[in-house]
Amino acid sequence: NAGVTQTPKFRVLKTGQSMTLLCAQDMNHEYMYWYRQDPGMGLRLIHYSVGEGTTAKGEVPDGYNVSRLKKQNFLLGLESAAPSQTSVYFCASKKTNYGYTFGSGTRLTVV
Amino acid sequence: EDQVTQSPEALRLQEGESSSLNCSYTVSGLRGLFWYRQDPGKGPEFLFTLYSAGEEKEKERLKATLTKKESFLHITAPKPEDSATYLCAVLVYNQGGKLIFGQGTELSVKP
Repeated sequence: NAGVTQTPKFRVLKTGQSMTLLCAQDMNHEYMYWYRQDPGMGLRLIHYSVGEGTTAKGEVPDGYNVSRLKKQNFLLGLESAAPSQTSVYFCASKKTNYGYTFGSGTRLTVV
Repeated sequence: EDQVTQSPEALRLQEGESSSLNCSYTVSGLRGLFWYRQDPGKGPEFLFTLYSAGEEKEKERLKATLTKKESFLHITAPKPEDSATYLCAVLVYNQGGKLIFGQGTELSVKP
């Protein structure tokens, strides 16, 4: 099915470990986004991309890096995980002037 | 600063008891207002897009309306399967295509 695919779906990390979350979309969308969702905080934008090879900071970028080497993929990296990064991470993509299509999320726990 | 506020935070209804969810916004230039439904453990699912004041959209028991300052999601004769968190978001000019989300309203419909 067409849409946004996130991998992995679940992950437990130890403090200081690194990992990469992968987001892939097959809708040829230009725009891609990474959000985190925490209880009582809503969806907060981490980083986003308006096209292949471009990235920009969102509302809460500290501790994260991203890359968009191919139009269909948007990677979110944690270089040195901290317990404060325990969250559910959502990737989304869109066309101009349209709303997002979301992935199913990655539940990350940092212990 | 662009802002989206949803109320109430939580709403409990009996099956068949109609009600409305509110989304108020203060933005510099509205390009569109979006409603999403989010079930526990899943990504938000698109419901409606509204572009101009006076516009209305309907889907089954849901109807979304838009004014210059707020949007309402009316739920007529809700069923338990309508239980979910409903998210409102706005698309603003000159913001890299980003959606600005409200905190959401958690709806619970009891049989």
